[in-house]
Amino acid sequence: GESVGLHLPTLSVQEGDNSIINCAYSNSASDYFIWYKQESGKGPQFIIDIRSNMDKRQGQRVTVLLNKTVKHLSLQIAATQPGDSAVYFCAENPGKLTFGQGTILTVHP
Amino acid sequence: NAGVTQTPKFQVLKTGQSMTLQCAQDMNHEYMSWYRQDPGMGLRLIHYSVGAGITDQGEVPNGYNVSRSTTEDFPLRLLSAAPSQTSVYFCASSLLGTPYGYTFGSGTRLTVV
Repeated sequence: GESVGLHLPTLSVQEGDNSIINCAYSNSASDYFIWYKQESGKGPQFIIDIRSNMDKRQGQRVTVLLNKTVKHLSLQIAATQPGDSAVYFCAENPGKLTFGQGTILTVHP
Repeated sequence: NAGVTQTPKFQVLKTGQSMTLQCAQDMNHEYMSWYRQDPGMGLRLIHYSVGAGITDQGEVPNGYNVSRSTTEDFPLRLLSAAPSQTSVYFCASSLLGTPYGYTFGSGTRLTVV
């Protein structure tokens, strides 16, 4: 069936490096995508979203890229900080969000 | 403005017991939903509601009931708890059609022994 999944379950980076978290989706009808950050013991928090009519969207230190040709979504975090350590999920469609497995990002000082 | 409030934060049940997980939001959101999160997995949708009096099943509805008598509240009922229902449960809400995604509660950690 249709699903949203992540390529890498874990990612370790040094403080100050840039991080890239990837997500593959298979539902070609998806027209809206969201990245969430989940810190330990907390619920997911909205980071950034993108509609399918866009290829790129930037926020504060974060950029989301969408490649509809290969059904791929990525989240780039610039100058990664220890506070960015969390699990990151991509999700599609706000009607009934479907989440991927998640990527654990660990930032080493 | 408290956002999405879930109670309790932790709960231990014996197999066969029933209980209700509470979820309340004060943002006048039409859409509310329940997810469960198991180790190493993403969030899976249990039930959702697009407004008072309207509920529908998600991906994993078996063993759970919901009702939506008011806009603010969306309780999740476990009818007869099973160890397979040990999980962390998240409630989320949003305005219908919002471009900003969901607001999540802080979760209820449920253990069924």
